[in-house]
Formats: sequence, structure tokens, C-alpha cells
Amino acid sequence: AQKITQTQPGMFVQEKEAVTLDCTYDTSDPSYGLFWYKQPSSGEMIFLIYQGSYDQQNATEGRYSLNFQKARKSANLVISASQLGDSAMYFCAMREGEASSASKIIFGSGTRLSIRP
Amino acid sequence: NAGVMQNPRHLVRRRGQEARLRCSPMKGHSHVYWYRQLPEEGLKFMVYLQKENIIDESGMPKERFSAEFPKEGPSILRIQQVVRGDSAAYFCASSRTLSLGPAEAFFGQGTRLTVV
Repeated sequence: AQKITQTQPGMFVQEKEAVTLDCTYDTSDPSYGLFWYKQPSSGEMIFLIYQGSYDQQNATEGRYSLNFQKARKSANLVISASQLGDSAMYFCAMREGEASSASKIIFGSGTRLSIRP
Repeated sequence: NAGVMQNPRHLVRRRGQEARLRCSPMKGHSHVYWYRQLPEEGLKFMVYLQKENIIDESGMPKERFSAEFPKEGPSILRIQQVVRGDSAAYFCASSRTLSLGPAEAFFGQGTRLTVV
């Protein structure tokens, strides 16, 4: 079964608008971490934001915020006031397990975001 | 994150040759993770190593692929007798300790392997 599901293969958004990228996850582990990465055309993986399963508040980092709905198992990324430089692939990812054990990060299939001028 | 260094950035190999990809973790980090990204796909986990130990290799192909992380020096991902299907971007991440936190979520810039 898919652990991380991103249902939007591609999105087009007008510059300066806000955009929400969807992500749902599947885990039975009470401890997990959720990540969002940006991959521009140059190819590097840029870490954007992190949400721990026990964090009470939604994570925010500048124009990025994570809409964490634990009961729905969703972790949507919200980008406010989009810019042309936001055009890229965006990956949602999850790491399962207790804080005392490491495990691999599992990635979704990604959403390609294109910002229109 | 520039702290995780991968080289080379680009590697071209003919079918049948060997490819060696290097990953130098962030300073003080003793855990390394390798991922592969095929074109238009997300990253897929390959192997997790600590110094001198392979901890989880559940994502490694059974043949031709091997990984090591010696006591001294970078982690090496080795692909023997490369085939066109090995063409992909290979990413490395590192961590200091066992952790779920974001500090260990940083990747190197990747090595893009092209098999011709």
C-alpha cells in the first residue's frame, strides 16, 4: 500500500496566489515525521518544512506552512504569495518510528508546480 | 544542504563499466542513507549504513549494487557492470544520531549517472 500519496501530478497557479499541495499518508506508528522537499529543475533536493506527529501546532517556515490534520492523515503544504521561483517539483515524505530509532524516509510521487506570471 | 557532499555531480559510464559514487556526510555524522531517483519519479530508499555496518539494505538491488561506509573516508555506492536502467540520480543523506527530526533530513546535491 502507498505510504505517501500525492494526488496532484501537476498544478498551474498564477503568481502571487496561494497554493496548496496535497499529501496524505498511511502509518500505524504513533511516532512519525513528515517532510516537504522542493526539487527545482537543477535537481537538488531542498528541505522546506518538517512536522512531527506529536507537534501541537502546524509548522511554518516563511511562506511555507504545513496544514497538519492528524485524524485525516493529511499534511498539505501551503505556499503563500507564490513566486516564479516556486516553480518546481514538490515531494511529501515521511519517516516512521520512535525518536530513538532511525528509519528511511519514504517519498511520494511528487507534484509539479508551475507558476504563471 | 551543502554539508552533505556528493561527487561526482555527473557521471557517464558505458554499459558494462563500474560506477563509484561518493558521499561525504556532514561533519560528525555517522549515519548515511542512499536513495535513487528515476526520471519523473520520487526518491526510493536503497540502503542505510553506519560506520562499518550496513543497517538496512532492503532497497538495494540483489545484484551488481553494493555500498560501504568505512571507518575513515566517504561512503561509496558501487554499481558493477552498469546497464542503461541504472541511469538515475543518486542522492545521499546523513545524520548524527538516530532521530526523526528535521536536522537529519538534508540531502547532498546528488550524482546523476548516465549509462550510454
